[in-house]
Amino acid sequence: ETGVTQTPRHLVMGMTNKKSLKCEQHLGHNAMYWYKQSAKKPLELMFVYNFKEQTENNSVPSRFSPECPNSSHLFLHLHTLQPEDSALYLCASSQEAEVSGEAFFGQGTRLTVV
Amino acid sequence: AQKITQTQPGMFVQEKEAVTLDCTYDTSDPSYGLFWYKQPSSGEMIFLIYQGSYDQQNATEGRYSLNFQKARKSANLVISASQLGDSAMYFCAMSFGWDTGRRALTFGSGTRLQVQP
Repeated sequence: ETGVTQTPRHLVMGMTNKKSLKCEQHLGHNAMYWYKQSAKKPLELMFVYNFKEQTENNSVPSRFSPECPNSSHLFLHLHTLQPEDSALYLCASSQEAEVSGEAFFGQGTRLTVV
Repeated sequence: AQKITQTQPGMFVQEKEAVTLDCTYDTSDPSYGLFWYKQPSSGEMIFLIYQGSYDQQNATEGRYSLNFQKARKSANLVISASQLGDSAMYFCAMSFGWDTGRRALTFGSGTRLQVQP
Protein backbone atom coordinates (compact mmCIF):
# COMPACT_ATOMS: atom_id res chain seq x y z
CA GLU A 1 0.00 0.00 0.00
CA THR A 2 1.35 3.40 -0.90
CA GLY A 3 1.26 6.11 1.77
CA VAL A 4 -1.59 8.23 0.39
CA THR A 5 -3.96 6.84 -2.21
CA GLN A 6 -6.44 8.87 -4.22
CA THR A 7 -9.27 7.61 -6.41
CA PRO A 8 -10.20 8.11 -9.12
CA ARG A 9 -7.08 9.31 -10.91
CA HIS A 10 -9.10 10.96 -13.64
CA LEU A 11 -12.68 12.23 -13.62
CA VAL A 12 -14.78 13.95 -16.24
CA MET A 13 -18.11 15.30 -15.05
CA GLY A 14 -20.86 17.52 -16.30
CA MET A 15 -21.88 20.67 -14.48
CA THR A 16 -25.05 19.06 -13.15
CA ASN A 17 -23.39 15.85 -11.93
CA LYS A 18 -22.52 14.82 -8.39
CA LYS A 19 -19.30 12.95 -7.80
CA SER A 20 -16.90 12.24 -4.96
CA LEU A 21 -13.14 12.10 -4.66
CA LYS A 22 -11.65 9.67 -2.18
CA CYS A 23 -8.39 9.79 -0.27
CA GLU A 24 -6.93 7.20 2.09
CA GLN A 25 -3.71 7.40 4.09
CA HIS A 26 -1.85 4.49 5.64
CA LEU A 27 0.70 6.53 7.56
CA GLY A 28 -1.07 6.93 10.88
CA HIS A 29 -1.15 10.70 10.51
CA ASN A 30 -3.59 12.88 12.41
CA ALA A 31 -4.13 15.58 9.76
CA MET A 32 -5.45 15.44 6.22
CA TYR A 33 -5.71 18.13 3.57
CA TRP A 34 -7.26 18.94 0.23
CA TYR A 35 -5.28 21.13 -2.17
CA LYS A 36 -6.28 22.42 -5.61
CA GLN A 37 -3.72 22.85 -8.39
CA SER A 38 -4.99 24.90 -11.33
CA ALA A 39 -3.01 25.50 -14.49
CA LYS A 40 -2.22 29.12 -13.78
CA LYS A 41 -2.18 29.32 -9.99
CA PRO A 42 0.00 28.00 -7.19
CA LEU A 43 -1.35 25.11 -5.19
CA GLU A 44 -4.16 26.35 -3.01
CA LEU A 45 -5.06 24.91 0.36
CA MET A 46 -8.78 24.11 0.47
CA PHE A 47 -9.52 22.24 3.70
CA VAL A 48 -7.69 20.98 6.76
CA TYR A 49 -8.88 18.16 9.02
CA ASN A 50 -7.24 17.32 12.31
CA PHE A 51 -8.39 14.17 14.09
CA LYS A 52 -11.34 14.15 11.65
CA GLU A 53 -12.48 17.62 12.72
CA GLN A 54 -12.38 20.40 10.14
CA THR A 55 -9.99 23.11 11.35
CA GLU A 56 -9.60 25.20 8.21
CA ASN A 57 -11.80 26.10 5.25
CA ASN A 58 -9.97 28.45 2.92
CA SER A 59 -13.10 30.23 1.63
CA VAL A 60 -13.98 27.32 -0.62
CA PRO A 61 -17.34 27.53 -2.46
CA SER A 62 -20.07 25.33 -1.04
CA ARG A 63 -20.22 23.23 -4.20
CA PHE A 64 -17.17 21.50 -2.67
CA SER A 65 -18.17 19.55 0.41
CA PRO A 66 -15.49 17.67 2.36
CA GLU A 67 -16.07 14.73 4.65
CA CYS A 68 -13.66 13.06 7.05
CA PRO A 69 -15.23 9.99 8.72
CA ASN A 70 -11.96 9.01 10.44
CA SER A 71 -8.31 10.01 10.50
CA SER A 72 -7.47 7.73 7.58
CA HIS A 73 -10.14 8.70 5.07
CA LEU A 74 -11.03 11.97 3.42
CA PHE A 75 -13.64 12.67 0.76
CA LEU A 76 -14.43 15.64 -1.41
CA HIS A 77 -18.03 15.68 -2.61
CA LEU A 78 -18.60 17.68 -5.77
CA HIS A 79 -21.88 19.06 -7.10
CA THR A 80 -22.89 21.64 -9.71
CA LEU A 81 -19.29 22.48 -10.52
CA GLN A 82 -18.14 25.07 -13.02
CA PRO A 83 -15.63 24.62 -15.85
CA GLU A 84 -13.13 26.74 -13.91
CA ASP A 85 -13.13 24.06 -11.22
CA SER A 86 -11.22 21.81 -13.60
CA ALA A 87 -7.89 21.15 -11.89
CA LEU A 88 -5.69 18.59 -10.20
CA TYR A 89 -6.99 17.89 -6.70
CA LEU A 90 -4.34 16.68 -4.31
CA CYS A 91 -4.89 15.04 -0.98
CA ALA A 92 -2.16 15.06 1.65
CA SER A 93 -1.59 13.92 5.21
CA SER A 94 0.85 14.88 7.91
CA GLN A 95 1.48 14.56 11.62
CA GLU A 96 0.63 17.93 13.13
CA ALA A 97 2.91 19.14 15.92
CA GLU A 98 5.72 16.84 14.74
CA VAL A 99 9.09 18.58 14.37
CA SER A 100 9.09 18.60 10.59
CA GLY A 101 5.59 17.27 9.96
CA GLU A 102 6.15 17.10 6.24
CA ALA A 103 3.08 16.39 4.18
CA PHE A 104 2.80 13.27 2.07
CA PHE A 105 0.72 13.63 -1.06
CA GLY A 106 -1.38 11.32 -3.14
CA GLN A 107 -1.04 11.25 -6.91
CA GLY A 108 -4.07 13.46 -7.33
CA THR A 109 -7.34 13.36 -9.20
CA ARG A 110 -7.36 15.17 -12.53
CA LEU A 111 -10.85 16.66 -12.73
CA THR A 112 -12.38 18.01 -15.92
CA VAL A 113 -15.74 19.76 -15.76
CA VAL A 114 -17.57 19.91 -19.08
CA ALA B 1 -0.19 37.73 4.96
CA GLN B 2 2.13 34.84 4.29
CA LYS B 3 3.54 34.65 0.79
CA ILE B 4 6.06 32.52 -1.08
CA THR B 5 7.81 33.86 -4.18
CA GLN B 6 9.68 31.81 -6.75
CA THR B 7 11.00 34.16 -9.41
CA GLN B 8 12.34 31.55 -11.85
CA PRO B 9 9.55 30.04 -13.96
CA GLY B 10 12.07 27.80 -15.75
CA MET B 11 15.67 26.75 -15.35
CA PHE B 12 18.07 24.68 -17.45
CA VAL B 13 21.09 22.84 -16.08
CA GLN B 14 23.61 20.48 -17.58
CA GLU B 15 23.74 16.96 -16.25
CA LYS B 16 26.20 16.58 -13.34
CA GLU B 17 26.25 20.32 -12.61
CA ALA B 18 24.77 22.04 -9.55
CA VAL B 19 21.73 24.29 -9.72
CA THR B 20 20.12 26.74 -7.29
CA LEU B 21 16.39 27.33 -7.23
CA ASP B 22 15.35 30.56 -5.56
CA CYS B 23 12.66 31.04 -2.94
CA THR B 24 11.80 34.04 -0.82
CA TYR B 25 9.02 34.25 1.72
CA ASP B 26 7.15 36.82 3.70
CA THR B 27 5.73 36.23 7.13
CA SER B 28 5.48 37.99 10.46
CA ASP B 29 5.29 34.70 12.33
CA PRO B 30 8.38 33.99 14.46
CA SER B 31 8.05 30.26 13.94
CA TYR B 32 7.51 28.51 10.64
CA GLY B 33 8.69 25.61 8.54
CA LEU B 34 10.09 25.74 5.03
CA PHE B 35 9.83 22.87 2.58
CA TRP B 36 10.75 21.95 -0.95
CA TYR B 37 8.72 19.53 -3.03
CA LYS B 38 9.32 17.98 -6.44
CA GLN B 39 6.46 17.31 -8.83
CA PRO B 40 7.27 15.07 -11.80
CA SER B 41 4.95 14.94 -14.79
CA SER B 42 3.03 12.14 -13.06
CA GLY B 43 1.61 14.76 -10.69
CA GLU B 44 2.59 13.43 -7.28
CA MET B 45 4.26 15.88 -4.89
CA ILE B 46 7.45 14.41 -3.45
CA PHE B 47 8.93 15.84 -0.25
CA LEU B 48 12.60 16.75 -0.59
CA ILE B 49 13.80 18.77 2.37
CA TYR B 50 12.69 20.70 5.45
CA GLN B 51 14.11 23.68 7.37
CA GLY B 52 12.73 25.01 10.63
CA SER B 53 12.85 28.73 11.33
CA TYR B 54 14.74 28.10 14.56
CA ASP B 55 17.30 25.79 12.98
CA GLN B 56 20.81 27.22 13.07
CA GLN B 57 22.27 24.97 10.41
CA ASN B 58 21.19 24.59 6.81
CA ALA B 59 19.33 21.38 6.09
CA THR B 60 20.82 18.73 3.81
CA GLU B 61 19.33 15.55 2.36
CA GLY B 62 21.59 13.66 0.01
CA ARG B 63 22.08 15.81 -3.10
CA TYR B 64 19.67 18.44 -1.81
CA SER B 65 20.63 21.28 0.49
CA LEU B 66 18.69 24.30 1.62
CA ASN B 67 20.48 27.65 1.76
CA PHE B 68 18.54 29.32 4.57
CA GLN B 69 19.11 33.03 5.09
CA LYS B 70 16.64 34.08 7.73
CA ALA B 71 17.39 37.81 7.69
CA ARG B 72 16.82 37.88 3.94
CA LYS B 73 13.82 35.57 4.22
CA SER B 74 15.18 33.28 1.57
CA ALA B 75 15.30 29.48 1.39
CA ASN B 76 17.01 28.47 -1.81
CA LEU B 77 17.27 24.84 -2.87
CA VAL B 78 20.62 23.62 -4.15
CA ILE B 79 20.72 20.40 -6.14
CA SER B 80 24.21 19.04 -6.63
CA ALA B 81 25.30 16.72 -9.45
CA SER B 82 22.06 17.07 -11.42
CA GLN B 83 20.60 13.96 -12.99
CA LEU B 84 18.17 13.59 -15.89
CA GLY B 85 15.58 12.32 -13.42
CA ASP B 86 15.68 15.66 -11.62
CA SER B 87 13.71 17.25 -14.47
CA ALA B 88 10.43 18.29 -12.84
CA MET B 89 8.55 21.17 -11.23
CA TYR B 90 9.95 22.28 -7.90
CA PHE B 91 7.82 24.02 -5.30
CA CYS B 92 8.88 25.97 -2.26
CA ALA B 93 6.34 25.88 0.55
CA MET B 94 5.94 27.27 4.02
CA SER B 95 3.90 26.37 7.06
CA PHE B 96 3.23 29.22 9.49
CA GLY B 97 1.82 29.07 12.96
CA TRP B 98 4.44 26.41 13.62
CA ASP B 99 4.27 26.60 17.42
CA THR B 100 0.55 25.76 17.34
CA GLY B 101 1.35 22.47 15.60
CA ARG B 102 -0.09 23.66 12.31
CA ARG B 103 1.52 21.98 9.29
CA ALA B 104 -0.72 23.10 6.39
CA LEU B 105 1.29 24.54 3.51
CA THR B 106 1.37 27.72 1.44
CA PHE B 107 3.07 27.15 -1.89
CA GLY B 108 5.04 29.24 -4.34
CA SER B 109 4.30 29.19 -8.07
CA GLY B 110 7.05 26.72 -8.83
CA THR B 111 10.15 26.44 -11.02
CA ARG B 112 10.37 24.02 -13.92
CA LEU B 113 13.82 22.48 -14.00
CA GLN B 114 15.09 20.78 -17.12
CA VAL B 115 18.31 18.79 -16.94
CA GLN B 116 20.11 18.51 -20.25
CA PRO B 117 22.44 15.63 -21.16
